[in-house]
Order: sequence, then structure tokens, then C-alpha cells
Amino acid sequence: GAVVSQHPSRVICKSGTSVKIECRSLDFQATTMFWYRQFPKQSLMLMATSNEGSKATYEQGVEKDKFLINHASLTLSTLTVTSAHPEDSSFYICSAREGGGAYNEQFFGPGTRLTVL
Amino acid sequence: DAKTTQPPSMDCAEGRAANLPCNHSTISGNEYVYWYRQIHSQGPQYIIHGLKNNETNEMASLIITEDRKSSTLILPHATLRDTAVYYCIVRVRNSGYALNFGKGTSLLVTP
Repeated sequence: GAVVSQHPSRVICKSGTSVKIECRSLDFQATTMFWYRQFPKQSLMLMATSNEGSKATYEQGVEKDKFLINHASLTLSTLTVTSAHPEDSSFYICSAREGGGAYNEQFFGPGTRLTVL
Repeated sequence: DAKTTQPPSMDCAEGRAANLPCNHSTISGNEYVYWYRQIHSQGPQYIIHGLKNNETNEMASLIITEDRKSSTLILPHATLRDTAVYYCIVRVRNSGYALNFGKGTSLLVTP
């Protein structure tokens, strides 16, 4: 299957700082990328959907000014957690959907563990 | 997407078959049944999907009832590495929308 990478795999930061997480589709072009968040012992919750070259669509309750998403190319999307606080500590997972194929399945990255002190 | 119901947890002895059920009684005619799993602290991994016929790949088999209201994912010879949360998702193929994860079934494979 197609490969999606995330960087970094884990990050620890101080409260008030910003953190950028990268999501890359390595062997296909992703017209759509999704960002999920997962708290301990809970399921994945969709945060936002981004299409290459356009603004992201955020799910209800997700602050777009706090979670900045950029999908500037067909292989890269970034999620920036601005002014992170301890409650933002979570497992962030991206997924990418290939465009133009007959069956456009979603492929997931390995996740990024964010810990805000 | 149609709603799915899965047991919250299951145990299976290593080497035995793991049969994970999923109810999707409101499934529409054009909706597929997808299975993903998530090993602890990793991203979800695609396992298999099907419409109405039984499907098999190198990871698992998917048995869908004739009325399509339920399905079973079968891991024929479970290993310790199969310990994970398994998600059954029903959706239209080629949907541009994100996969919507429920609570899934936490499968524990024991030695």
C-alpha cells in the first residue's frame, strides 16, 4: 500500500510554544489529507480536512486559529499547534487520500506524540 | 456512513482463529465494509474491505452475511502482534470524506 510519513514521531515542548508536524505522502500524490487527534484510551477524532491548494475544513469544536493546517503541495501537509498547552497533549495522526485513482483509499501516517509541559 | 456496533473487547489464544464481529444493520446498498486496526501508539492500518462477497487477503478474511447486516473479520492464526484495536467502518467507496472511527474492538492475543 501507499506510504505516509510523519515527522517528528514525538515531540515535547513547553507551554506557550508552537509545534509543527509534517505529513508526507511518499509514493503518491495526495489531493486530500486528514488530521486526526487521539487522546488516551479514546478513538481517533477527525480534526480537519485539507485539500491541496485550498483552506482546510475544520470539524466542529476545533479552533482553526490554534491548529493551523497548510497543504501547499500534493505530497506535504503541515499541522501547527500554536501556543500549545498541556491539554493539547495528544497523539496526532494524519492520513492521505490519493486523487485521480479508481479507488481512492485513505492511508495513515504513524502518528506524532505531542507532550506539552 | 452507516453506524456499526462492535464488542468492546475480545481475547484470543495465540495460534487460534480470532473472529471479530460487526453489526451494521443500516448499511446501504452502495456501502462497503472496511476493517482497520490500530496497534498501540501507531497509525491505523488497513486490513480488508468488501461489498457483499467474502474476501480474503494475506492478513485476514472478511465474511459478510447475505443480508449484509453483519460481518466477521477472521484472523486465521492470531499472533501476539495482532493485539490491537480493530475498527469496522461502513462507507461508500471513493467517498471524499474522512474515515469515521468508532470505538472498535480491543483484541488481546494471549500466549
